[in-house]
Amino acid sequence: NAGVTQTPKFQVLKTGQSMTLQCAQDMNHNSMYWYRQDPGMGLRLIYYSASEGTTDKGEVPNGYNVSRLNKREFSLRLESAAPSQTSVYFCASSPPRELAGANVLTFGAGSRLTVL
Amino acid sequence: DQQVKQNSPSLSVQEGRISILNCDYTNSMFDYFLWYKKYPAEGPTFLISISSIKDKNEDGRFTVFLNKSAKHLSLHIVPSQPGDSAVYFCAAIPHGSSNTGKLIFGQGTTLQVKP
Repeated sequence: NAGVTQTPKFQVLKTGQSMTLQCAQDMNHNSMYWYRQDPGMGLRLIYYSASEGTTDKGEVPNGYNVSRLNKREFSLRLESAAPSQTSVYFCASSPPRELAGANVLTFGAGSRLTVL
Repeated sequence: DQQVKQNSPSLSVQEGRISILNCDYTNSMFDYFLWYKKYPAEGPTFLISISSIKDKNEDGRFTVFLNKSAKHLSLHIVPSQPGDSAVYFCAAIPHGSSNTGKLIFGQGTTLQVKP
């Protein structure tokens, strides 16, 4: 019952460094998402992937790239990290719409990123 | 421009009493509203949802009320238990986005239930 697994859990970067956050789900969900959580802001959608091979921008995509490697995996890349990207990042997935009245997301435990 | 707002950052209640968490929204074009619960060092977990065409949905100790004219929803927890202590996020699904998971979240309210 792993659900949604994110790695790493913690990371400290220097400004300008790059890194990739990894996410995998074992629930056979079609859709996957990356959100960031900042104090006083709630969670904001960065990118999402409705299905394997497709990705779309969310509310705050600038400075990020994503790859939907296969149905299970969805990675988030910071090419040149900035202090404004210090945040907690959550990956999530959801089943097809017809299986739920609302699009209920299952979240990973989060990845805390600090950019110095 | 915060479309979904939780104006109370924190709430403290006594065990056994009712907890009422509030959420306001500014956009009428939402199809669903959801509540998520989050413990420290964990991801948010889904708690309960309500369709925009309903005004109440109940699941055990949790009831969500939707007042469309006031653009307000609330989550009632009765009776409150210490294990309910967590951050609660209100979220909304914009019209036409029910297939995308493009939830709009409020800022969260930290609930503390005292034994």
